[in-house]
Formats: sequence, C-alpha cells, structure tokens
Amino acid sequence: KAGVTQTPRYLIKTRGQQVTLSCSPISGHRSVSWYQQTPGQGLQFLFEYFSETQRNKGNFPGRFSGRQFSNSRSEMNVSTLELGDSALYLCASSTTSGGAAGDTQYFGPGTRLTVL
Amino acid sequence: GENVEQHPSTLSVQEGDSAVIKCTYSDSASNYFPWYKQELGKRPQLIIDIRSNVGEKKDQRIAVTLNKTAKHFSLHITETQPEDSAVYFCAASSWGKFQFGAGTQVVVTP
Repeated sequence: KAGVTQTPRYLIKTRGQQVTLSCSPISGHRSVSWYQQTPGQGLQFLFEYFSETQRNKGNFPGRFSGRQFSNSRSEMNVSTLELGDSALYLCASSTTSGGAAGDTQYFGPGTRLTVL
Repeated sequence: GENVEQHPSTLSVQEGDSAVIKCTYSDSASNYFPWYKQELGKRPQLIIDIRSNVGEKKDQRIAVTLNKTAKHFSLHITETQPEDSAVYFCAASSWGKFQFGAGTQVVVTP
C-alpha cells in the first residue's frame, strides 16, 4: 500500500496570507489527524477528522481549520498567517478514530511552511 | 490542561548499554500510548505502543511499561546500537486526541 502523502512538501508565504495543505491517507484509512511540529513546542495536535467529521480538536486558534472529503483526503487551512506559524505540518492516518481502538497512526512526510 | 511530560530531553549512551525514557500524563481518560522514533529530516515512525489494559509489552530490544495508577509509562531500549540515535516521542491518546511529549534526543556513541 502507498503511504500517507502530503502536498506540497515546501511552502513559503508572507504574513497575512492564507495557505491550504493537503493530506492523502493510506487507502482504507478513515481517520486523519494533523499536527504542528516546531523545535520549541514539539508535536502539537491540531485536529482529527473521521468520516468527514471533526472528532477531536487541539488548542489552536480558529485561524486553523480543516476538512475531510468523502475519499478520506483531508485539507488543512491556515488564514491570516503569522510568523509563528512557520513549522512542519504533519498529518497521520489510521483505520479508525485515532486511539479509540488504539490503532496505529502512520505519518506523512510533512509540509514545511515558512512564513516571511 | 492535559499534557505529557517526557524525561530526559537528551540521553547519551554507549553502544551496548540500555536507554530508558520516561513519560507522565495527566488525562486519566488516556487509553493508548504509542512511542515514535524520528530521525533527522524524516517522519515519525511508530516503534511500539501499549494500550491501557496492558502493563508491559516487548518487541525484540524495545519494551514499554505502563503504570496507570501513577500515570506514567516508559520506553526501554536494550543493547543500543548507533542506528538507535534519533529523537523519541511518547504520546498519550484519549479516544483519538493525542498529546505528545517534548521528545528525547538519544545519541548512541560507538
């Protein structure tokens, strides 16, 4: 099976702009979670989508949003970008809703976002 | 709020020695505890996980223990090798909502 894929891999934006990141889960996986990884804050949970519904949400401002499509692909949007949004954004997929059954999460390669 | 604390932040061991990383969590509803290894420039990879109804799990040189009462879990790597050098993250999940530790940089010196 193909692994989790993310596009684009690298992105440079300026403050105030918005950005959309895409994640394609492993075939058959219905859960997609998003994470922000920075050197100072580590891995921070953004949200999780399962069957097109947001099931869990982390402690991020409303500028961070997401959605999931019927084919389980997910997008994450960040509006009004700030310098502090520069980070590696990782998505991870699993068969069921995250830890409900303790299913393994498989991570994508990430999208490196730089905000200037 | 809920968080996961991970110690130590860096760990230097001689090849062949054991490495132990400890994590504590605060959310008593946490029911799944994975450990990830992340090499420089690569994605996190699951190396072992444990569910809340199990106290210990072992996979070759890697083992994880869970103490639900004390809300802590640990990763044990025996007979360390240079390829074990990486950042290791613990995580606690409460029905799909994950909290990660800050990571431990493990350096195995030959």
